Amino acid sequence: KQEVTQIPAALSVPEGENLVLNCSFTDSAIYNLQWFRQDPGKGLTSLLLIQSSQREQTSGRLNASLDKSSGRSTLYIAASQPGDSATYLCAVRFTSNTGKLIFGQGTTLQVKP
Amino acid sequence: EAGVAQSPRYKIIEKRQSVAFWCNPISGHATLYWYQQILGQGPKLLIQFQNNGVVDDSQLPKDRFSAERLKGVDSTLKIQPAKLEDSAVYLCASSLQVNSPLHFGNGTRLTVT
Repeated sequence: KQEVTQIPAALSVPEGENLVLNCSFTDSAIYNLQWFRQDPGKGLTSLLLIQSSQREQTSGRLNASLDKSSGRSTLYIAASQPGDSATYLCAVRFTSNTGKLIFGQGTTLQVKP
Repeated sequence: EAGVAQSPRYKIIEKRQSVAFWCNPISGHATLYWYQQILGQGPKLLIQFQNNGVVDDSQLPKDRFSAERLKGVDSTLKIQPAKLEDSAVYLCASSLQVNSPLHFGNGTRLTVT
């Protein structure tokens, strides 16, 4: 069964700290992996998309890495700010699926001032 | 570009009643998805359309849920009759092609009492 897991479920850090969110998946045969941010009561905002041929993607203070062989991805947030507080979701497109994204359960991040 | 539009934003109904949600994807996006997100969980795909054809509806409870995408643009998702466990946020997303990044609407929060 193709599954995506995110640990921890919740994380609280002081402002300014660098942090890493983890995502693991059960099958290395993937098209791509996408990281999303979800604010309370809102939809999902795409942060980064990594194709299966890529090792990492960067956008501002965010850096996402992909290691297909070990079934892992990490989202690195540098110099965290209170505005980064949200739920972060990892989603994977496996090659055996018809383009559907399978989501992890998310990591809820709180950055304290 | 305009984002994915969904309506209504909130809906409260009693169990056994029916409800319908509407989605208008980003112009030109061929692929449309409906996801169900129960509180504290990641989104789960209910149905995926490619233009006006169904690509994946393996997790759609077909005895009570139905969806259509007439003319390959707007889509509606219907629940009849609703159960308490259908309380969730229903998210619509679209992508240019099957393996392109997904763009989500703000969702419809359904409460079944």
